[in-house]
Amino acid sequence: QQPVQSPQAVILREGEDAVINCSSSKALYSVHWYRQKHGEAPVFLMILLKGGEQMRHEKISASFNEKKQQSSLYLTASQLSYSGTYFCGTEMGLGNTPLVFGKGTRLSVIA
Amino acid sequence: EAGVVQSPRYKIIEKKQPVAFWCNPISGHNTLYWYLQNLGQGPELLIRYENEEAVDDSQLPKDRFSAERLKGVDSTLKIQPAELGDSAVYLCASSLGADYSNEQFFGPGTRLTVL
Repeated sequence: QQPVQSPQAVILREGEDAVINCSSSKALYSVHWYRQKHGEAPVFLMILLKGGEQMRHEKISASFNEKKQQSSLYLTASQLSYSGTYFCGTEMGLGNTPLVFGKGTRLSVIA
Repeated sequence: EAGVVQSPRYKIIEKKQPVAFWCNPISGHNTLYWYLQNLGQGPELLIRYENEEAVDDSQLPKDRFSAERLKGVDSTLKIQPAELGDSAVYLCASSLGADYSNEQFFGPGTRLTVL
């Protein structure tokens, strides 16, 4: 079951904040966040495990609400380098299941 | 440290032709993945290897797709014969750990165009 990401796209000015959401209809074991720039490989940002703490990567942080079966990615004081497509990948059930990626959220940061 | 290497980066073929993609994972990574990524979509798993063994190939269309990972290092993904709908980016990834709760390192992908 593919997770649903929202919004589909967002445009920010440098220094603004954004939130990207990832929701699943099934119980989740972990949520993985990746960023992919156009024509490049997806790059790992962070993993949130069931029962784990909120994670952080530079000025990007994320939370995982197990009860709501959703994760949110928080981008603070955005930089031009944050532009790209953000994907969440969900691992379901008791774990060790293939990641199912959402369709992505396209983020554009402009000067 | 060298990243995941894939070749070729681009491939254009006519339908019904065979095609092969090659991947060299990060040294020491025992787990290797092949993903398919369509335009505007996230990666979709095709197959996962633990060393030489394919431990999850349920998503691989076995009528035309095949993969191998001889000696547990490099891997090759083959399509024979290719169809128009196979046009996509084929990503290879590797990880240190033996399950999905690990950071995956992706290669740049091979963009396949089937005419």
